[in-house]
Amino acid sequence: EAQVTQNPRYLITVTGKKLTVTCSQNMNHEYMSWYRQDPGLGLRQIYYSMNVEVTDKGDVPEGYKVSRKEKRNFPLILESPSPNQTSLYFCASSGRSGTDTQYFGPGTRLTVL
Amino acid sequence: QKEVEQNSGPLSVPEGAIASLNCTYSDRGSQSFFWYRQYSGKSPELIMSIYSNGDKEDGRFTAQLNKASQYVSLLIRDSQPSDSATYLCAVKMSGGSWGKLQFGAGTQVVVTP
Repeated sequence: EAQVTQNPRYLITVTGKKLTVTCSQNMNHEYMSWYRQDPGLGLRQIYYSMNVEVTDKGDVPEGYKVSRKEKRNFPLILESPSPNQTSLYFCASSGRSGTDTQYFGPGTRLTVL
Repeated sequence: QKEVEQNSGPLSVPEGAIASLNCTYSDRGSQSFFWYRQYSGKSPELIMSIYSNGDKEDGRFTAQLNKASQYVSLLIRDSQPSDSATYLCAVKMSGGSWGKLQFGAGTQVVVTP
């Protein structure tokens, strides 16, 4: 089954404790992206990757890091989480960024205390 | 000014009626436009994409694009209670940011029996 998986689905952590949210897709997609969704603000792009070892900032990259060492994986790293990073996070992938359907993962709800 | 703007709603629509959703965007060079549907607690799913001026129909959904006026709309005909969801407009940025996808905050649609 074609899918995007994220882990963990729910996470409660404390300020400053490094964490990684994993994202994996099995569709051999080139393009992957991370978004955060907050009430009233919609989906905001954090980082995206056009292919392996090619990443770029979205609209809200501060406080986040990503890497794309393999085509299927695109982890999101919070080196020192803060309460303002409490949010719902979605990973997405598509064959090409401009014209293909983006498939979204199920989401990760992160709470930073 | 937000780059992609939508009315937040809620838009209340009687069952069987037409729901009309609008979206305006600021990047005049944008070429790719998408409508996503998001049920509460779920991840977004693509329902329409449009790239050329005019109308594009898919079942009960019609997307309309007017690049000169910088707006894109979505019509839902014969609205059903299952159409109750938040609808997100997404615009792919042009130029050096061509990997970026900007989302509006979404319009909540409530279809009443």
